[in-house]
Amino acid sequence: QVQLVQSGAEVKKPGASVKVSCKASGYTFTTYHMHWVRQAPGQGLEWMGLIYSGGGTTNYAQKFQGRITMTRDTSTSTVYMELSSLRSEDTAVYFCARTLTWSSGYFEYWGQGTLVTVSS
Amino acid sequence: QSVLTQPPSVSGAPGQRVTISCTGSSSNIGAGYDVHWYQQLPGTAPKLLIYVNNNRPSGVPDRFSGSKSGTSASLAITGLQPEDEADYYCQSYDSTLSGSEMFGGGTKLTV
Repeated sequence: QVQLVQSGAEVKKPGASVKVSCKASGYTFTTYHMHWVRQAPGQGLEWMGLIYSGGGTTNYAQKFQGRITMTRDTSTSTVYMELSSLRSEDTAVYFCARTLTWSSGYFEYWGQGTLVTVSS
Repeated sequence: QSVLTQPPSVSGAPGQRVTISCTGSSSNIGAGYDVHWYQQLPGTAPKLLIYVNNNRPSGVPDRFSGSKSGTSASLAITGLQPEDEADYYCQSYDSTLSGSEMFGGGTKLTV
């Protein structure tokens, strides 16, 4: 069965960086695209960007350009999302989610979420 | 402020029917991009409810249905049950700039 298992909760200081992982299993990793979606406390869902697990091509939401990096390791079927220059507004639960297509796809499978807390 | 607009809240009594709207524009829903819907219970990841406008994944009751017309889409829930109380989000692709997935602001359903 398809599973996306994310790394554990993180607490970071303002200005620091965080790297969250998402390990995939139960399907051919390189066939799909992985997206990152975050949800601030009490707020809605916000799309951050995606990476093609096969070739590594990325597309980031304009809001995060310059401080987000998505990478993947095909040997371990793991995708990583690194966000730098953290500020308090980045406190949120971060989800990875899989689509088959590069655009206009639907998120059939989601990770369990990783809480990132940014606090001095 | 989301590109896709949803009502913040809707409510209905058990057994009733409710609809949740998702209004976009010519760069997303109006451009022909598909709309997908998710249900999110507190403290959990979103769950795919409707994909490609009006398709239900296996296991989703047929009480849930989706439609799309012009620059808008709707989620209808019939025969409301207490366990339907959750947040609902629409999602579509927007072709502005380099293109991106967009979510509606979410709708809290109270049963």
